[in-house]
Amino acid sequence: GQQLNQSPQSMFIQEGEDVSMNCTSSSIFNTWLWYKQDPGEGPVLLIALYKAGELTSNGRLTAQFGITRKDSFLNISASIPSDVGIYFCAGPPRGNQFYFGTGTSLTVIP
Amino acid sequence: DSGVTQTPKHLITATGQRVTLRCSPRSGDLSVYWYQQSLDQGLQFLIQYYNGEERAKGNILERFSAQQFPDLHSELNLSSLELGDSALYFCASSPNLAGVSYNEQFFGPGTRLTVL
Repeated sequence: GQQLNQSPQSMFIQEGEDVSMNCTSSSIFNTWLWYKQDPGEGPVLLIALYKAGELTSNGRLTAQFGITRKDSFLNISASIPSDVGIYFCAGPPRGNQFYFGTGTSLTVIP
Repeated sequence: DSGVTQTPKHLITATGQRVTLRCSPRSGDLSVYWYQQSLDQGLQFLIQYYNGEERAKGNILERFSAQQFPDLHSELNLSSLELGDSALYFCASSPNLAGVSYNEQFFGPGTRLTVL
């Protein structure tokens, strides 16, 4: 079945550092979404991408829709402690299934 | 606050029991989705309802069922509970605009189910 693989699985970084993570799919997507989940909370939508090559920013976050349409990237600049959480990518439904990525856990060390 | 509400926030029950989780979508959203999140499984899609009708089905066990009522709130029923059913259960809603193949989903705070 459809699988969205995220890497890295986890990251430990110093406050102020930039962060990069990515998500890859085994098939072509026409939508990519990035969510963040704080511990014990529901995922919150960060950025939505609808066009191959699209680059979209939301504050210190920037996401890109890969030109192959099989991947997407999320960058966080100048990380702060509240960036801690799990970041998920998600794509459009395939055969009436909705898929989320495996997640990247981010820890920011003050 | 996403506008999606879920009750209860926590639920502790015993194996073999049946529970009902409730979700109220954002005002105006017609679609409701249910997800299960276990420690080692990530977010697993269970089922989607759109305006009262089942629209899509994921990895939902036969012991689980859901429905969406005329006022658009939804309930997820879990029966014959097993230890492995312990997880966070999330509800999400989206507007499902006509002509849009995928709508952004807005998640509730979740219900943490513990089966002892």
